Amino acid sequence: DTAVSQTPKYLVTQMGNDKSIKCEQNLGHDTMYWYKQDSKKFLKIMFSYNNKELIINETVPNRFSPKSPDKAHLNLHINSLELGDSAVYFCASSQVRGLEQFFGPGTRLTVL
Amino acid sequence: DAKTTQPPSMDCAEGRAANLPCNHSTISGNEYVYWYRQIHSQGPQYIIHGLKNNETNEMASLIITEDRKSSTLILPHATLRDTAVYYCIVTNDYKLSFGAGTTVTVRA
Repeated sequence: DTAVSQTPKYLVTQMGNDKSIKCEQNLGHDTMYWYKQDSKKFLKIMFSYNNKELIINETVPNRFSPKSPDKAHLNLHINSLELGDSAVYFCASSQVRGLEQFFGPGTRLTVL
Repeated sequence: DAKTTQPPSMDCAEGRAANLPCNHSTISGNEYVYWYRQIHSQGPQYIIHGLKNNETNEMASLIITEDRKSSTLILPHATLRDTAVYYCIVTNDYKLSFGAGTTVTVRA
């Protein structure tokens, strides 16, 4: 009965490849988010979707594209992976914008 | 663009109260104070939030000064499982901006 789940947990890939990370929440929340935690452990928001519509798009390269097929899912597609994309990516969701956000376990992406 | 200042680390004895300070001297009237924590290799976990009044839930208490320029998160009876990085965040929207936080180590 995991609240926010992500797959895969670990992802190792070569530079230039395209990869996707999936996120699902079973909390019935309207808003979902993607965060990136870099090697210095700073956690920064990348995207936010509310009812399947994009409401935040921080200064993220357009190689990153979120896709929300429905309210319960927010997937992250990354094209032409670069070394600097190596990080832990966290998905989160909340009932209304802001308030208490529930985070997934994270996906550790390593680009070689 | 950090709006909060926290000590980088602190130790706490198991079973004792842990008091985590946070300075947010530039907080505006409609901004909330949120606390999250991140246990090693896990996603951040919401703890508590408040606007003006002190708040308490099953995890912790939040004490906000009258001028709202600082706050203290209190873990009443710290356990080894409370060892984590604790983040104090000030925001009035859904964009949570995590700083370096305070690394809290609870020792037996």
